[in-house]
This record gives sequence, C-alpha cells and structure tokens, in this order.
Amino acid sequence: EDKVVQSPLSLVVHEGDTVTLNCSYEVTNFRSLLWYKQEKKAPTFLFMLTSSGIEKKSGRLSSILDKKELFSILNITATQTGDSAVYLCAVRGQNFVFGPGTRLSVLP
Amino acid sequence: EAQVTQNPRYLITVTGKKLTVTCSQNMNHEYMSWYRQDPGLGLRQIYYSMNVEVTDKGDVPEGYKVSRKEKRNFPLILESPSPNQTSLYFCASSSFSVNTGELFFGEGSRLTVL
Repeated sequence: EDKVVQSPLSLVVHEGDTVTLNCSYEVTNFRSLLWYKQEKKAPTFLFMLTSSGIEKKSGRLSSILDKKELFSILNITATQTGDSAVYLCAVRGQNFVFGPGTRLSVLP
Repeated sequence: EAQVTQNPRYLITVTGKKLTVTCSQNMNHEYMSWYRQDPGLGLRQIYYSMNVEVTDKGDVPEGYKVSRKEKRNFPLILESPSPNQTSLYFCASSSFSVNTGELFFGEGSRLTVL
C-alpha cells in the first residue's frame, strides 16, 4: 500500500529561524513528489520534484528529493509569520497519496 | 484561466436530503479526485477517476457516489447525507498524459449536515 509519512507533525519556531520539514514515502511506480502549503483554504502548489539531487528553489523555500532513500525535505529559511501553515507532501504513483501534513507556527 | 470550479462553496442541509457537489475543470485533465478534510485528519481521498467512465474508491468512499460521464466534470453525490459527512470537500485534477503534472485544487466546499 502506498504511504507518505511527514515529520514533525507540528513545529513552533520564531521569526528568522530556519526549518526543515521531512517527507518519506513508499509508493509503487513513483512519478513525482509534490509539496503544498495550506492556510485556511485550498492547498497551494509549491514544488514538484521528479529527479534525485536536483534542488528546487523559490525565494526562501527550497526542496530536494532523494529517490534512493525515498524521502524529500522542504527547507524554509528566515521564517516569517506568513509562513505559518500546514505543509503537505504528496507522492504520485498511479494515484496521488498525501501525508498528514506538518503544521508550522511562526511566532513574531 | 486554468481552474477547478466547485459548487456550492457553502451548504447547510439536513440529514437524508440528497445533494450533489459539482466539480468542473477546464484543463482537459484525465485525472480527477475528491477529498474531504476534517480537523486533525488531513486530506482523505473519497473517490478518484483516471478518465471518463473510470472511477475508483479512495480511502473513505462510504456514503458517497461519483460519476465521470464527461472529461471535465466529476460530481460528488451524497444520496442520504448524515452529520458525520459534515466536512470541507476539495475537488482536484491533474494531467496524466505528462508524467509530471501537478494536482490542481478547487477552492473547496464547506458542507454542514444537521
């Protein structure tokens, strides 16, 4: 059965801190791994990763995939209160499978 | 504009009164899916569809039906809603033609069953 695990499930930091969110997976016929940010509305797309070792970057956010070890990390540097959200990891094989999410709270 | 459109966005109904939540996408995507989201439980898949006339159960299909008669539409049907179906529902779509397509979400439908 396809499975996605995220850690930590919850994280509280202060503005300016750097955080690393983890996503590990087991999936048949892996095609891609996706990261989403969800505030009080629909998830918004952050990154899609398909190849190992290639970092995707957007501003203070970056992500990398390790297909050999079956995990990905999402890094957020110099966190801001606006980064407070649930971060969802999803893996696409035949179907999309979501992890439980990491709830990030950034305190001023 | 590429989008997934859900209706209604908000609905309050009563137990047993059949309702349909519509979902339509304008991106010619093969794959469509319904999720429900409840506090502390993350996104749980209800049903998904790989293409027209092809539907499969997700993790929590009980009490729901779907149909995929046209590529663009994927309605979610609650034949006899119950209070435990009070939830936030998301429809999503993706292309399967290109292996690397992202999943596009609708804005969500908040359903309350009294």
